[in-house]
Amino acid sequence: EAAVTQSPRNKVAVTGGKVTLSCNQTNNHNNMYWYRQDTGHGLRLIHYSYGAGSTEKGDIPDGYKASRPSQENFSLILELATPSQTSVYFCASGDEGAHSDYTFGSGTRLLVI
Amino acid sequence: GEQVEQRPPHLSVREGDSAVITCTYTDPNSYYFFWYKQEPGASLQLLMKVFSSTEINEGQGFTVLLNKKDKRLSLNLTAAHPGDSAAYFCAVFRNNYAQGLTFGLGTRVSVFP
Repeated sequence: EAAVTQSPRNKVAVTGGKVTLSCNQTNNHNNMYWYRQDTGHGLRLIHYSYGAGSTEKGDIPDGYKASRPSQENFSLILELATPSQTSVYFCASGDEGAHSDYTFGSGTRLLVI
Repeated sequence: GEQVEQRPPHLSVREGDSAVITCTYTDPNSYYFFWYKQEPGASLQLLMKVFSSTEINEGQGFTVLLNKKDKRLSLNLTAAHPGDSAAYFCAVFRNNYAQGLTFGLGTRVSVFP
């Protein structure tokens, strides 16, 4: 079954440390996305990708990098984690064209202390 | 860019009653809309995707209405039951499709006996 899988499910990180969140999709979608979800803000787009080798800034990219080494994998990297990055992160993949479907992963709960 | 406003943020509904969640959007060229349901601690589950060509869309236990003139999208939960207790999010397809979706802030629905 086609799916989006995120790892880890939960992560505790120290302020100033490096954090990498991973996402794998088996939908064969070209487009992938990283969102964060915070109370009062809904889901906000951090980075997205058109395909392997591409990364683009979303609405709130500051403090985050992304990497798309292959069609299936899309990582979100926090080089210097801060407490304000404590959140739930969702990865999604999407098809191309006007009738795109979007599939979301189960989320990663990140706590930066 | 597209802005999506969702109301109300919280909704308490007696079991068997109906409830309405409304989203307004700003881009008159928007043509593809989504409703997602999110149970506590879980990912986003697609309820329905709606194209601007259809104003009334019926699902299992709910109806989605699209008013293009007023740029308003609504989700009507009919005969609410405890399984409807969740957060609901509307989302609008960005016309630059690779940027995915713009989300409303969500509505937390609680169904009580």
